[in-house]
Amino acid sequence: DAGVIQSPRHEVTEMGQEVTLRCKPISGHNSLFWYRQTMMRGLELLIYFNNNVPIDDSGMPEDRFSAKMPNASFSTLKIQPSEPRDSAVYFCASSLGQGLDTQYFGPGTRLTVL
Amino acid sequence: DQQVKQNSPSLSVQEGRISILNCDYTNSMFDYFLWYKKYPAEGPTFLISISSIKDKNEDGRFTVFLNKSAKHLSLHIVPSQPGDSAVYFCAASGGSGTYKYIFGTGTRLKVLA
Repeated sequence: DAGVIQSPRHEVTEMGQEVTLRCKPISGHNSLFWYRQTMMRGLELLIYFNNNVPIDDSGMPEDRFSAKMPNASFSTLKIQPSEPRDSAVYFCASSLGQGLDTQYFGPGTRLTVL
Repeated sequence: DQQVKQNSPSLSVQEGRISILNCDYTNSMFDYFLWYKKYPAEGPTFLISISSIKDKNEDGRFTVFLNKSAKHLSLHIVPSQPGDSAVYFCAASGGSGTYKYIFGTGTRLKVLA
């Protein structure tokens, strides 16, 4: 089992550039989550998809952030334009169903915006 | 406003001794609690959970205790091993959005050999 796959693992970009983070959930999992980790706020849920449909995007910080899940095996998180305060580690997680099924996390993408 | 708080950013323990990691929460609607462990350059991995109908759950060297009246939970690791050195995140869930985990900021545990 490959687990949740994220790419790239590291991204360094300049302020104002577009950034796209990618995630492949575990096969058969119906729920997908995007999180952001910062020192001050820990792990924050950005958006939750169930069966490819966005259910809760209340954690998306601004209109600069958008996420898509065109099919069951792929999701993207896009930041346009990026700002230095977006620098963080972004995690994707998936779970088998809804509710309290265990969430399995990918290795994360460390984003640095200069 | 942090609903889940881990007030100790770091903790050092001697190998073989007990490690106690603490977590406080403010939302009385939370009814399910989890601990995740995170190694550097890896994603968090699930460690242990507890439902609010219990006050203790044990899995090998790991035990989670829940005190609902104090809105407090703790993770005990006995005996601590160097491989336990990691960041531990407490998370809570419940109420209207049961899929939603609210995470704390983490406690970095270092087990000294």
